[in-house]
Amino acid sequence: TQLLEQSPQFLSIQEGENLTVYCNSSSVFSSLQWYRQEPGEGPVLLVTVVTGGEVKKLKRLTFQFGDARKDSSLHITAAQPGDTGLYLCAGAPGNQFYFGTGTSLTVIP
Amino acid sequence: KAGVTQTPRYLIKTRGQQVTLSCSPISGHRSVSWYQQTPGQGLQFLFEYFSETQRNKGNFPGRFSGRQFSNSRSEMNVSTLELGDSALYLCASSWQLAGRMSYEQYFGPGTRLTVT
Repeated sequence: TQLLEQSPQFLSIQEGENLTVYCNSSSVFSSLQWYRQEPGEGPVLLVTVVTGGEVKKLKRLTFQFGDARKDSSLHITAAQPGDTGLYLCAGAPGNQFYFGTGTSLTVIP
Repeated sequence: KAGVTQTPRYLIKTRGQQVTLSCSPISGHRSVSWYQQTPGQGLQFLFEYFSETQRNKGNFPGRFSGRQFSNSRSEMNVSTLELGDSALYLCASSWQLAGRMSYEQYFGPGTRLTVT
């Protein structure tokens, strides 16, 4: 069992559609990060959420941290082909950093 | 500011050999972490170094080791390679200020290791 479970694992949608990716855990995190990784490259940090209930927006991406700081969600509005990639949540409940299981998103033109 | 660099980008080795991978963090970042990424297991934490000391270690066998130099550059070594060690090895750096570590990681492009 992974510390951070993401759903769905795979997502294939048409350009212009909306989608939500979930990141869940039974542990409490002081902060959670979201990364996007493209094939053959390292993950790139998108955002850090720190406060329970916090909502952050990055253009068409909206990130939310759960009130209990155990979960987070990523919502993409009007997805574009450039959004294609592997989305990863990550955090450290203690001293060790954990990544989520990942959501592979494909946006079809 | 230059990003995290890793060398080499690609490597092919034979079972039983050993390999050393190198990572140069972002200037000013003193923490360097290493991860193994495979399709089946995802991103798994190997170890983290700070000020030349291993601060945290994941659940990997002793064949996986690392070190950090005084300029924060880091190397990881895998001895007696096995087929299952084929993976993308990622290095990430992060900053620390006034005793508090930032968990925001900045990744290099990775080293793709293939063991045959």
